[in-house]
Amino acid sequence: GAGVSQSPSNKVTEKGKDVELRCDPISGHTALYWYRQSLGQGLEFLIYFQGNSAPDKSGLPSDRFSAERTGGSVSTLTIQRTQQEDSAVYLCASSLQTGGAFFGQGTRLTVV
Amino acid sequence: AQSVSQHNHHVILSEAASLELGCNYSYGGTVNLFWYVQYPGQHLQLLLKYFSGDPLVKGIKGFEAEFIKSKFSFNLRKPSVQWSDTAEYFCAASSTGGSYIPTFGRGTSLIVHP
Repeated sequence: GAGVSQSPSNKVTEKGKDVELRCDPISGHTALYWYRQSLGQGLEFLIYFQGNSAPDKSGLPSDRFSAERTGGSVSTLTIQRTQQEDSAVYLCASSLQTGGAFFGQGTRLTVV
Repeated sequence: AQSVSQHNHHVILSEAASLELGCNYSYGGTVNLFWYVQYPGQHLQLLLKYFSGDPLVKGIKGFEAEFIKSKFSFNLRKPSVQWSDTAEYFCAASSTGGSYIPTFGRGTSLIVHP
């Protein structure tokens, strides 16, 4: 597609449930990033994929968070046993290896 | 640790005023530098970027930024703001080698009064 696509745009879930967030990057972009943005905060890095290399998971806040990228394209971020502090906007971005990142619209996650 | 600092969290200006938003970074080695803008209800968009060469970078919508290596700064400027510039502005930096993961500042909220 023309840009980075994320789904769903909004997700409300009950505390303790698992959620999956999807990101479809720009075709041909080898790098894919997940960030989260909380109210009044900057962007917090979560995980980075680059080509076929092992992902950089250094930003994941706990072992409840995981992500995969299938076939070097679509990525799924999974949050298990969601907590209220997980409520945020989850942003996906993609780029060529050295270029500026292009962001999707984000998924607004609300844990109630 | 790598970090990006934005000095102004909230800026309020009248139309036609000049704008300068501060950004300082703390990185070892050489860096790539970016400014992103997020208009209300929209996604983050790249305003401009610096990789190498001329330290004065021109971006979209009349914005420019100057890389001053000695000050570890990459301030964003616009000579005359418009109401439509009301948005959140984020500075970001990444290493030129390695993972290229951008680190973002906390953002500056700009409100321009007509």
